[in-house]
Parts: sequence; C-alpha cells; structure tokens
Amino acid sequence: EAQVTQNPRYLITVTGKKLTVTCSQNMNHEYMSWYRQDPGLGLRQIYYSMNVEVTDKGDVPEGYKVSRKEKRNFPLILESPSPNQTSLYFCASRSGTSSYNEQFFGPGTRLTVL
Amino acid sequence: LAKTTQPISMDSYEGQEVNITCSHNNIATNDYITWYQQFPSQGPRFIIQGYKTKVTNEVASLFIPADRKSSTLSLPRVSLSDTAVYYCLASPDSNYQLIWGAGTKLIIKP
Repeated sequence: EAQVTQNPRYLITVTGKKLTVTCSQNMNHEYMSWYRQDPGLGLRQIYYSMNVEVTDKGDVPEGYKVSRKEKRNFPLILESPSPNQTSLYFCASRSGTSSYNEQFFGPGTRLTVL
Repeated sequence: LAKTTQPISMDSYEGQEVNITCSHNNIATNDYITWYQQFPSQGPRFIIQGYKTKVTNEVASLFIPADRKSSTLSLPRVSLSDTAVYYCLASPDSNYQLIWGAGTKLIIKP
C-alpha cells in the first residue's frame, strides 16, 4: 500500500531533550516536506527536500533540522525542543517537483514539549 | 498570505449538496486549483484539481469559470462523514511552495 509513515505518533518530552521524528514513504517520491499545524491555523511548512541531499527552509524552520540521505526517509530533528514547538506535525511527499502534483500526507505526530 | 480566500466555516445537512466557494483574484496563469480534505488529527487528503471549466471525480466536482477569479467545490449528497476542513490551494506548475490558509470547516448535521 502506498503510504507515508511517521513515528512516533505521540510524544511528550521536556525542554532541551533532543528528539527525532521519522518519516518514510514507499512511493519513490522525489519531494518530501515537513509541516506543523497549530489550532486555527493552516499548515505551515518547516523544511522541504527536492531530492536526496537537497533540503531547503520553509516558512518556519527555526529550531528544526532535517536530513535526506535516502530517497525514502526524511527525519525531522529538534535539537533543543521548546514549549512553542508543541504542535501537530505532518510529513508529506509528492512525485516530481511541480507543486500541483498530489501530496500524500502521513498520519501526523502530536508533540508536547513541557 | 494565502493566495486564496474561503469561508471559515459552513454547515449543512445530510443528503444536501454543499458548495464551497474559493476566491483567488490574483492567481497566476500557470496555477492550478487544488482542494484537500482534512479530518481531525489526520493529514490532508487530495480531493480534486482543475485549471478551467469543470472537473468531476467520484468524490466531488470543481467548477472554475473562465475568468478563474474564483472556484467552487461541490460535494453531492453529503453525509456525516464529510465533516472536515477543506482547503483550497493555488498550485503552480513549478516548484513553488504551496501556501495553506486556514481552510473551511464544514459541519454536516443529521
């Protein structure tokens, strides 16, 4: 089944404790991205990747890191999480680089930073 | 700022046809109009996409008039399970990053 998977689905942590949220897709998509979603707001892009070893900042990259060593994986790293990073995070992928191509989203990771 | 504007919320009843209008006065020539649906605590899901006139699939129809300043997502005979947030996006044929607005929260009542 074609899908985007994220782990963990739920995470409660404390300020300053490094964490990684994994994302993997099995559709051989070139493009992957990370979004955060906060109540009453739409999705805001954190980072995106056009292909392996190519990453770029989105609208809200501060406090986050990513890497794209393999085509299928795109982990999101929070080196020193803070409470304002408490949010619902989505990983997404799409084929090609055109933004009109259908995006496939993961199930989400709900992160709470105390 | 999002390139599109849509109502914050709407409600309707089971069995009715629901039309959600999206305004996009300044979209570019190469922009497509794309709609996504999002259920609570789930990722958005692609519904339909179009450039001009009418597109229909098994889920919805999308009407885009010739001037392309607005578009209408039509959901025929809605059910309770259509309660969700619907996002209208202007999606160019390029690697331009999408801008997501707050969407329209649709509530279907029995």
